[in-house]
Amino acid sequence: AQSVAQPEDQVNVAEGNPLTVKCTYSVSGNPYLFWYVQYPNRGLQFLLKYITGDNLVKGSYGFEAEFNKSQTSFHLKKPSALVSDSALYFCASYNFNKFYFGSGTKLNVKP
Amino acid sequence: DTEVTQTPKHLVMGMTNKKSLKCEQHMGHRAMYWYKQKAKKPPELMFVYSYEKLSINESVPSRFSPECPNSSLLNLHLHALQPEDSALYLCASSQVRGGITDTQYFGPGTRLTVL
Repeated sequence: AQSVAQPEDQVNVAEGNPLTVKCTYSVSGNPYLFWYVQYPNRGLQFLLKYITGDNLVKGSYGFEAEFNKSQTSFHLKKPSALVSDSALYFCASYNFNKFYFGSGTKLNVKP
Repeated sequence: DTEVTQTPKHLVMGMTNKKSLKCEQHMGHRAMYWYKQKAKKPPELMFVYSYEKLSINESVPSRFSPECPNSSLLNLHLHALQPEDSALYLCASSQVRGGITDTQYFGPGTRLTVL
């Protein structure tokens, strides 16, 4: 079975502090993992993906994610949060022509 | 250019109406998708088209009817919907490489309200 889990419904962080949004996965075979961000009443925007290669993946808007095979995790990180990063974040895995989305984590960045 | 466009942005319809949602992409992607999303929930896959053929139907009620007229266009025809069908409907597209689909790019969505 394919699944991704986002254990935190909400993450609160102060502007300028580092942020982490957590994701763990359970997939058969090699995982294809993605992060998307969604602003209110908008579609999902692609941030970054891990297919193979370097475990540290850099993406859009200063975000990066670290693939950890032993912990089956793919946490999203940013060194310094901005208020404009406040949004809903989805982790996803891909297999057999389908995306499996996590439940989403609402990120609140306070000034 | 990674743009997927959707029209209309908002749609209000009665339970007896017939309407259509439209999606367009010009990235040369050969896979296109319809998702339904309720507030603060992840998108739920409805349909997948690969090379203009329906490849996945996630047991969606027949009041939703997809159509892929060509490789750039995807429609979702709506008929006799229920109030619980009110949601954000998202279209996405992706490239297909060696039989494997790549990153999905999403449109802005159509906010559907069924009265």
